[in-house]
Amino acid sequence: AQSVTQLDSHVSVSEGTPVLLRCNYSSSYSPSLFWYVQHPNKGLQLLLKYTSAATLVKGINGFEAEFKKSETSFHLTKPSAHMSDAAEYFCVVSVGFGNEKLTFGTGTRLTIIP
Amino acid sequence: NAGVMQNPRHLVRRRGQEARLRCSPMKGHSHVYWYRQLPEEGLKFMVYLQKENIIDESGMPKERFSAEFPKEGPSILRIQQVVRGDSAAYFCASSPTPTGAQYFGPGTRLLVL
Repeated sequence: AQSVTQLDSHVSVSEGTPVLLRCNYSSSYSPSLFWYVQHPNKGLQLLLKYTSAATLVKGINGFEAEFKKSETSFHLTKPSAHMSDAAEYFCVVSVGFGNEKLTFGTGTRLTIIP
Repeated sequence: NAGVMQNPRHLVRRRGQEARLRCSPMKGHSHVYWYRQLPEEGLKFMVYLQKENIIDESGMPKERFSAEFPKEGPSILRIQQVVRGDSAAYFCASSPTPTGAQYFGPGTRLLVL
């Protein structure tokens, strides 16, 4: 079985300061890992994806995440927060075998303080 | 290339009625997934379909819920005899291959009165 744990339900940072959203995963097999963002009353947008290539993954809007197998972590970071980054962020894991059923974390709500 | 389309965006039903949610995948995508998001929770997988086939329905409630993806037309998630606990946002995602990244639609927000 696979699962993800998002360690913080809410994170608040000031505009222009770094962002760190934490995620730990559990998987019996080599996982694919994703971060999705959901703005209020909107659908989900894929930020980035890890699939066993480079461990540091760069995504859209300046976000990146590092896969650390020894720590079973896949934390999302951004050097400088922007007001438009305020949203809900989901860490997601899947195990292939021809069926990429996604397992979502419970989400982290990011608030940006002006 | 239009994204994943879902309609309606909002749906209100009274207890006991039927709800039909539609999902048109991105052009060229033949794999469709349905997820449900309860308030203040993450998304939960419901069902995975390819054209005319249900591949994995392990997340679907055993009763009242069904899904199809016909050869022509959108995928349909059908909920019969809705109850208040069915109130949620239902998201559809599509991908071009079984292992491709999933692209999500804007969701249908179902409210059962």
